[in-house]
Amino acid sequence: NAGVTQTPKFQVLKTGQSMTLQCAQDMNHEYMSWYRQDPGMGLRLIHYSVGAGITDQGEVPNGYNVSRSTTEDFPLRLLSAAPSQTSVYFCASSYRLSQYEQYFGPGTRLTVT
Amino acid sequence: GESVGLHLPTLSVQEGDNSIINCAYSNSASDYFIWYKQESGKGPQFIIDIRSNMDKRQGQRVTVLLNKTVKHLSLQIAATQPGDSAVYFCAERGSGNQFYFGTGTSLTVIP
Repeated sequence: NAGVTQTPKFQVLKTGQSMTLQCAQDMNHEYMSWYRQDPGMGLRLIHYSVGAGITDQGEVPNGYNVSRSTTEDFPLRLLSAAPSQTSVYFCASSYRLSQYEQYFGPGTRLTVT
Repeated sequence: GESVGLHLPTLSVQEGDNSIINCAYSNSASDYFIWYKQESGKGPQFIIDIRSNMDKRQGQRVTVLLNKTVKHLSLQIAATQPGDSAVYFCAERGSGNQFYFGTGTSLTVIP
């Protein structure tokens, strides 16, 4: 199993540009989530999904969209990038919502200029 | 929202000594807690978890203690090794099955 994979590893955007961060898992996990990690702060939940076709907002959802058309993929879209979205983004998955051990991807480091 | 904090941002220990990393949480209704380890340039990795109906849980070289009275949990690492150098996060499960993470403690093991 590859586990949780994320692409790209690094990305630089200009303010106002849009892009999609990709996340995929091959463990047949139902629960997937996106976090951002900023210096001096813990990971903060952006959006999560409990299964294909179901998504919900986390703690900091503004400026981001998600969709879950398949069990494997959970892309995160930045609609109009802002410097405040400069961060490291982590995707995570777990087998079920009730099974809390989350497996994290390697992260995407995003810089918005 | 929930507030999860760690007492010390950095901790240095000698190789072979025991390490103790502390974490305070604010939501007395939180029923589940996790410790993660994050090495430089990598995503967090699950270490050990504990439910609120327990006071202590042991894993391989790690022990988590939960004190619900003072809303405090700690991670103890026995016989700390250089490979244990990393940032350690505690996380609590809050409302809506969302997890709230602390800011992290950076552990450095001195050979």
